[in-house]
Amino acid sequence: DAGVIQSPRHEVTEMGQEVTLRCKPISGHDYLFWYRQTMMRGLELLIYFNNNVPIDDSGMPEDRFSAKMPNASFSTLKIQPSEPRDSAVYFCASRDTGELFFGEGSRLTVL
Amino acid sequence: SQQGEEDPQALSIQEGENATMNCSYKTSINNLQWYRQNSGRGLVHLILIRSNEREKHSGRLRVTLDTSKKSSSLLITASRAADTASYFCATGGANSKLTFGKGITLSVRP
Repeated sequence: DAGVIQSPRHEVTEMGQEVTLRCKPISGHDYLFWYRQTMMRGLELLIYFNNNVPIDDSGMPEDRFSAKMPNASFSTLKIQPSEPRDSAVYFCASRDTGELFFGEGSRLTVL
Repeated sequence: SQQGEEDPQALSIQEGENATMNCSYKTSINNLQWYRQNSGRGLVHLILIRSNEREKHSGRLRVTLDTSKKSSSLLITASRAADTASYFCATGGANSKLTFGKGITLSVRP
C-alpha cells in the first residue's frame, strides 16, 4: 500500500484565497483524522470521520474551515477565506485499529 | 486541549547512551501511544500500550505505563544518530480520538 497520500505538499497563497487540501487514506481504514501542527500549539485534532461520517468537528477553529469525506478513499479540508494565522502543516491520518498512519503533510503558508 | 505533556522538551545525548522520555496525562485512557517525527515528515507510530498493560518492548524501545500516576515513559536503548527526531506521546480514550502532546526533541550526537 502507498500509505496515506496528501496533496499538495506545499501551498503558498494570499490572504482571502480559498485553500483545498486533499487526502487519500489507506484502503480499508475506516477512520480518517485531520490534524494541524504549529510550533505554538503543537498537533491539534481538527475533525475526524468514521465510515465517511464526521464524528467530532469540535477542533475546527472557525466556520472558515470545512471538511468532507464523500467516499472511503478521499477527503478534503477547505479553508475559505484563508488568513495568515492559518499557516501550519496540515496532516491527514487514517486508522483501522489502534495506531494512526500519517501522511507527509501539507505545508500551508498564507501571506 | 493537549492531553499528554512530554518531559523534557529537549534532550541531547551521545550515541550509544540511553534516552528516557516521559509523558504525563490528565484523564483516564484506553491506551497510550508513542510516535516519532523526523524533520519535515509525517508522524510514524512506534508503540502502543493499553491501559491494562504496564510494560511493553519493541526492539530497542521500552515503554512503561503507570495509570495510578497517569504517566508513561519511553526508553530508547543504545541510541543512534538516526534516532534524532521529535517524539510524541498520544492518549486514546473511549471516543477513538488521539490527543498528542507537544513533543520532545531528541538529538543524538555521533
